[in-house]
Amino acid sequence: DQQVKQNSPSLSVQEGRISILNCDYTNSMFDYFLWYKKYPAEGPTFLISISSIKDKNEDGRFTVFLNKSAKHLSLHIVPSQPGDSAVYFCAGFNTGTASKLTFGTGTRLQVTL
Amino acid sequence: DVKVTQSSRYLVKRTGEKVFLECVQDMDHENMFWYRQDPGLGLRLIYFSYDVKMKEKGDIPEGYSVSREKKERFSLILESASTNQTSMYLCATQFEGQGNIQYFGAGTRLSVL
Repeated sequence: DQQVKQNSPSLSVQEGRISILNCDYTNSMFDYFLWYKKYPAEGPTFLISISSIKDKNEDGRFTVFLNKSAKHLSLHIVPSQPGDSAVYFCAGFNTGTASKLTFGTGTRLQVTL
Repeated sequence: DVKVTQSSRYLVKRTGEKVFLECVQDMDHENMFWYRQDPGLGLRLIYFSYDVKMKEKGDIPEGYSVSREKKERFSLILESASTNQTSMYLCATQFEGQGNIQYFGAGTRLSVL
Protein backbone atom coordinates (compact mmCIF):
# COMPACT_ATOMS: atom_id res chain seq x y z
CA ASP A 1 0.00 0.00 0.00
CA GLN A 2 1.73 3.13 -1.27
CA GLN A 3 0.81 5.80 1.27
CA VAL A 4 2.78 8.51 -0.53
CA LYS A 5 2.55 8.72 -4.31
CA GLN A 6 4.39 10.75 -6.89
CA ASN A 7 2.51 9.99 -10.06
CA SER A 8 4.94 11.65 -12.45
CA PRO A 9 8.12 9.59 -12.72
CA SER A 10 9.82 12.31 -14.72
CA LEU A 11 9.50 15.97 -15.64
CA SER A 12 11.40 18.13 -18.09
CA VAL A 13 11.45 21.92 -17.72
CA GLN A 14 13.34 24.68 -19.46
CA GLU A 15 15.84 26.72 -17.52
CA GLY A 16 14.24 29.80 -16.00
CA ARG A 17 10.74 28.35 -15.98
CA ILE A 18 8.77 27.01 -13.05
CA SER A 19 9.05 23.34 -12.05
CA ILE A 20 6.06 21.87 -10.22
CA LEU A 21 6.46 18.49 -8.58
CA ASN A 22 3.39 16.84 -7.13
CA CYS A 23 2.82 14.42 -4.29
CA ASP A 24 -0.35 12.76 -2.99
CA TYR A 25 -0.79 10.91 0.26
CA THR A 26 -3.46 8.64 1.68
CA ASN A 27 -2.54 8.51 5.37
CA SER A 28 -4.59 11.21 7.11
CA MET A 29 -2.39 10.85 10.20
CA PHE A 30 0.56 12.48 8.45
CA ASP A 31 1.07 15.95 9.88
CA TYR A 32 4.51 16.83 8.58
CA PHE A 33 5.99 16.58 5.12
CA LEU A 34 9.48 16.86 3.71
CA TRP A 35 11.06 17.09 0.28
CA TYR A 36 14.43 15.58 -0.47
CA LYS A 37 16.65 15.95 -3.52
CA LYS A 38 18.92 13.19 -4.74
CA TYR A 39 21.75 13.41 -7.25
CA PRO A 40 23.16 10.24 -8.83
CA ALA A 41 25.73 8.47 -6.64
CA GLU A 42 24.82 10.62 -3.65
CA GLY A 43 22.42 10.19 -0.76
CA PRO A 44 19.22 12.25 -0.58
CA THR A 45 19.56 15.69 0.99
CA PHE A 46 16.83 17.57 2.81
CA LEU A 47 15.33 20.42 0.84
CA ILE A 48 12.26 21.88 2.54
CA SER A 49 9.48 20.83 4.88
CA ILE A 50 5.99 21.86 5.90
CA SER A 51 3.82 21.24 8.92
CA SER A 52 0.14 20.51 8.47
CA ILE A 53 -0.72 23.68 10.39
CA LYS A 54 0.55 25.64 7.39
CA ASP A 55 -0.45 25.62 3.77
CA LYS A 56 2.73 27.15 2.38
CA ASN A 57 6.41 27.29 3.21
CA GLU A 58 9.00 29.16 1.22
CA ASP A 59 12.79 28.99 1.12
CA GLY A 60 14.44 30.97 -1.62
CA ARG A 61 13.51 29.49 -4.98
CA PHE A 62 11.65 26.59 -3.36
CA THR A 63 8.06 26.72 -2.14
CA VAL A 64 5.98 23.84 -0.85
CA PHE A 65 2.19 24.03 -0.85
CA LEU A 66 -0.04 21.75 1.20
CA ASN A 67 -3.71 21.09 0.52
CA LYS A 68 -4.86 18.94 3.43
CA SER A 69 -8.39 18.45 2.19
CA ALA A 70 -7.06 17.03 -1.08
CA LYS A 71 -4.17 15.23 0.65
CA HIS A 72 -1.88 16.83 -1.88
CA LEU A 73 1.36 18.74 -1.73
CA SER A 74 3.49 20.30 -4.39
CA LEU A 75 7.01 21.67 -4.67
CA HIS A 76 7.54 24.73 -6.84
CA ILE A 77 10.99 25.71 -8.06
CA VAL A 78 11.24 29.18 -9.54
CA PRO A 79 13.29 29.84 -11.56
CA SER A 80 14.51 26.37 -12.45
CA GLN A 81 18.25 25.96 -12.93
CA PRO A 82 20.27 23.14 -14.54
CA GLY A 83 21.68 22.27 -11.09
CA ASP A 84 18.15 21.41 -9.98
CA SER A 85 18.21 18.34 -12.22
CA ALA A 86 17.85 15.47 -9.76
CA VAL A 87 15.35 13.01 -8.35
CA TYR A 88 12.94 14.55 -5.85
CA PHE A 89 11.26 12.54 -3.11
CA CYS A 90 8.43 13.69 -0.90
CA ALA A 91 7.93 12.08 2.49
CA GLY A 92 5.18 12.09 5.09
CA PHE A 93 5.42 11.74 8.82
CA ASN A 94 3.16 11.41 11.86
CA THR A 95 4.76 13.38 14.68
CA GLY A 96 2.78 11.43 17.26
CA THR A 97 4.39 8.10 16.37
CA ALA A 98 7.83 6.69 15.90
CA SER A 99 10.26 8.73 13.84
CA LYS A 100 9.57 7.02 10.54
CA LEU A 101 9.32 8.82 7.26
CA THR A 102 7.24 7.31 4.47
CA PHE A 103 8.73 8.22 1.11
CA GLY A 104 7.15 8.55 -2.28
CA THR A 105 8.48 6.90 -5.43
CA GLY A 106 10.33 9.96 -6.66
CA THR A 107 10.18 12.30 -9.67
CA ARG A 108 13.19 12.81 -11.90
CA LEU A 109 13.45 16.48 -12.86
CA GLN A 110 15.53 17.51 -15.84
CA VAL A 111 16.13 21.20 -16.38
CA THR A 112 17.16 21.86 -19.95
CA LEU A 113 19.06 24.84 -21.33
CA ASP B 1 28.16 19.21 8.95
CA VAL B 2 26.61 15.83 9.60
CA LYS B 3 28.71 13.02 8.18
CA VAL B 4 27.17 9.63 7.48
CA THR B 5 29.69 7.19 6.05
CA GLN B 6 28.80 3.94 4.37
CA SER B 7 31.76 1.61 4.20
CA SER B 8 31.41 0.57 0.57
CA ARG B 9 30.09 2.38 -2.50
CA TYR B 10 29.84 -0.78 -4.59
CA LEU B 11 29.64 -4.44 -3.62
CA VAL B 12 29.29 -7.58 -5.69
CA LYS B 13 28.31 -10.74 -3.85
CA ARG B 14 27.17 -14.22 -4.76
CA THR B 15 23.83 -15.79 -3.92
CA GLY B 16 23.89 -17.34 -0.44
CA GLU B 17 26.73 -15.19 0.90
CA LYS B 18 26.39 -13.36 4.18
CA VAL B 19 26.73 -9.63 3.54
CA PHE B 20 27.50 -6.84 5.98
CA LEU B 21 26.78 -3.20 5.17
CA GLU B 22 28.25 -0.74 7.63
CA CYS B 23 27.16 2.77 8.46
CA VAL B 24 28.95 5.19 10.76
CA GLN B 25 27.82 8.66 11.83
CA ASP B 26 29.80 11.33 13.62
CA MET B 27 27.04 13.47 15.13
CA ASP B 28 25.84 11.45 18.12
CA HIS B 29 22.38 11.05 16.62
CA GLU B 30 20.04 8.71 18.45
CA ASN B 31 18.11 7.38 15.47
CA MET B 32 19.53 5.44 12.56
CA PHE B 33 17.79 3.90 9.56
CA TRP B 34 18.41 1.54 6.67
CA TYR B 35 16.52 1.96 3.39
CA ARG B 36 16.70 0.43 -0.02
CA GLN B 37 16.03 2.39 -3.18
CA ASP B 38 14.65 0.68 -6.26
CA PRO B 39 13.41 2.22 -9.53
CA GLY B 40 9.71 2.98 -9.36
CA LEU B 41 9.50 2.05 -5.68
CA GLY B 42 11.24 4.98 -4.01
CA LEU B 43 12.89 4.56 -0.62
CA ARG B 44 11.61 1.73 1.49
CA LEU B 45 12.48 1.35 5.16
CA ILE B 46 14.12 -1.93 6.15
CA TYR B 47 15.02 -1.44 9.82
CA PHE B 48 15.64 1.40 12.21
CA SER B 49 17.11 1.90 15.66
CA TYR B 50 16.42 4.44 18.39
CA ASP B 51 19.32 3.56 20.59
CA VAL B 52 22.14 1.14 21.16
CA LYS B 53 20.99 -2.48 21.02
CA MET B 54 17.49 -1.38 20.05
CA LYS B 55 15.95 -2.15 16.67
CA GLU B 56 12.56 -1.93 15.02
CA LYS B 57 11.32 -3.52 11.83
CA GLY B 58 10.50 -1.22 8.99
CA ASP B 59 8.27 -1.98 6.03
CA ILE B 60 10.40 -4.66 4.34
CA PRO B 61 12.53 -6.44 6.99
CA GLU B 62 12.34 -9.94 5.48
CA GLY B 63 15.76 -11.32 4.64
CA TYR B 64 17.60 -8.68 6.67
CA SER B 65 18.81 -8.16 10.20
CA VAL B 66 20.63 -5.30 11.90
CA SER B 67 23.08 -4.68 14.68
CA ARG B 68 23.73 -1.58 16.75
CA GLU B 69 26.38 -2.25 19.37
CA LYS B 70 27.63 1.35 19.48
CA LYS B 71 25.68 4.55 19.05
CA GLU B 72 27.64 5.68 16.02
CA ARG B 73 27.46 2.43 14.06
CA PHE B 74 24.48 0.66 12.49
CA SER B 75 25.04 -2.47 10.46
CA LEU B 76 22.70 -4.11 7.98
CA ILE B 77 23.13 -7.86 7.52
CA LEU B 78 21.90 -10.00 4.67
CA GLU B 79 22.02 -13.48 6.18
CA SER B 80 21.90 -15.26 2.82
CA ALA B 81 21.98 -12.87 -0.09
CA SER B 82 19.53 -13.39 -2.92
CA THR B 83 19.30 -11.79 -6.36
CA ASN B 84 16.19 -9.84 -5.37
CA GLN B 85 18.30 -8.01 -2.81
CA THR B 86 20.27 -6.33 -5.58
CA SER B 87 19.61 -2.67 -4.85
CA MET B 88 20.93 0.67 -3.63
CA TYR B 89 21.12 0.68 0.17
CA LEU B 90 20.98 3.96 2.03
CA CYS B 91 21.74 4.63 5.67
CA ALA B 92 20.31 7.68 7.46
CA THR B 93 20.55 9.29 10.87
CA GLN B 94 18.20 11.59 12.73
CA PHE B 95 18.56 13.76 15.80
CA GLU B 96 15.59 13.75 18.14
CA GLY B 97 14.41 17.32 18.54
CA GLN B 98 15.57 18.48 15.13
CA GLY B 99 12.24 17.94 13.52
CA ASN B 100 12.09 14.97 11.26
CA ILE B 101 15.10 15.66 9.09
CA GLN B 102 17.14 12.61 8.24
CA TYR B 103 20.70 12.79 6.98
CA PHE B 104 21.77 10.20 4.45
CA GLY B 105 24.98 8.49 3.48
CA ALA B 106 26.04 8.24 -0.15
CA GLY B 107 24.68 4.73 -0.49
CA THR B 108 26.00 1.26 -1.26
CA ARG B 109 25.08 -0.28 -4.59
CA LEU B 110 24.88 -4.01 -3.98
CA SER B 111 24.75 -6.54 -6.79
CA VAL B 112 23.96 -10.15 -5.91
CA LEU B 113 24.86 -12.57 -8.70
